[in-house]
This record gives sequence, structure tokens and C-alpha cells, in this order.
Amino acid sequence: AQSVTQPDIHITVSEGASLELRCNYSYGATPYLFWYVQSPGQGLQLLLKYFSGDTLVQGIKGFEAEFKRSQSSFNLRKPSVHWSDAAEYFCAVGEYKLSFGAGTTVTVRA
Amino acid sequence: EAGVAQSPRYKIIEKRQSVAFWCNPISGHATLYWYQQILGQGPKLLIQFQNNGVVDDSQLPKDRFSAERLKGVDSTLKIQPAKLEDSAVYLCASSSRTDSYEQYFGPGTRLTVT
Repeated sequence: AQSVTQPDIHITVSEGASLELRCNYSYGATPYLFWYVQSPGQGLQLLLKYFSGDTLVQGIKGFEAEFKRSQSSFNLRKPSVHWSDAAEYFCAVGEYKLSFGAGTTVTVRA
Repeated sequence: EAGVAQSPRYKIIEKRQSVAFWCNPISGHATLYWYQQILGQGPKLLIQFQNNGVVDDSQLPKDRFSAERLKGVDSTLKIQPAKLEDSAVYLCASSSRTDSYEQYFGPGTRLTVT
């Protein structure tokens, strides 16, 4: 069965500081991995995805993620956070049927 | 290109009442999904359509939930009768044949059952 664990429920980061969100997955084959962001009252927006190839994936809004098969992880990073990055972030695994983690809420302080 | 449209955006009903949600996917997208997102949790897939056929409805509570996608375009999700635990955001998503792993989400319908 496929599943995702996001260990951090809430992270607070200062504007301009770096951000890393953790994601661990369980999947039977080569995983299809995604990171989505959800702002209040909005739907989910895809930040980036990994299917195969280079394990460091670049996404929109300056985000990147690294796939590590040995650790079953797909952590999301951003070198310098902006106040507009405050949102909820979801990691997901699957092909057509996505399984989402519970999400990590990011608060950005000035 | 227009995104996934959903209506209504908000709905408040009493338990045992019925409610329906509507979704219009991105034009040309063959696959349509309905997700339920309970507060504090990630979205959970309820049902997946390919054109007007059901691909996966294994997590749809069929005793009270129903969904249809007539003509392979718009879709309606219905709950009858609603329970308190149905309070959630209901998200619709769609994907195309050529990039079928990328799902585009609508803004969702927030349902409150009192």
C-alpha cells in the first residue's frame, strides 16, 4: 500500500531564512512523487514532481526537492523564504491515485 | 486556459439533509477526481472518472455518496443523507491524457454539517 508521512505538522521560519519540509513515503515500485501547496481558501497547486531521472527536482516559486530512494524521502527545500510562502504544503505519492500526507503548515515571521 | 471550476464555494446544511457539488474540469481533460479533505488532513480520493466511466470508487461511502459524470465533462457529487463527519472541503481535480500524472485542482467546496 502506498502512504506518505510528513513528520512536521507546523514549521515557523523567518523571512529570508531557508526552509526544509520533510516527506517520507511508502510505495511498492518506482514512486511518482509530488509536492503541492495550498493557500487559505484555495485549491492545491503543484510545486514540483518526480518520476525518474535526476534526483534533484526544480519547481516553481524557487522550490526544489531531492529524491532519496535509500531513505524513502522526498524533502522540499527553499533557500530563502518570502512572506508569501506561508501556506500548507502537501507531499503525495502515486500514479493516478494519489495518497497525500497530512500536510505541514508553514508560518513566516517578519 | 481556465482552471477547474467548482460550485458552490461554501455550503452549510443540517445533518440528514442532502447536498450536491458541481465540478467543471479543464477543457479537454479526460480524467476527473473528487477528493475529501477533512480539517487537519490531506485530501483523500473518493472517486476517479475516465471520461464518463468510473475507474476507482473504492473509498466512496456508497451508502450515502454518489457521483456522476454525464457526457464525460461536468461532474456532480451528492451526499444524501449528510452526517456530521461529512464536514470537509470537497476538491475536484482533472488531468489530461498527455500529462496524466499531473492533477489540476479546483478551489474546493467547504461543507459544514450541523
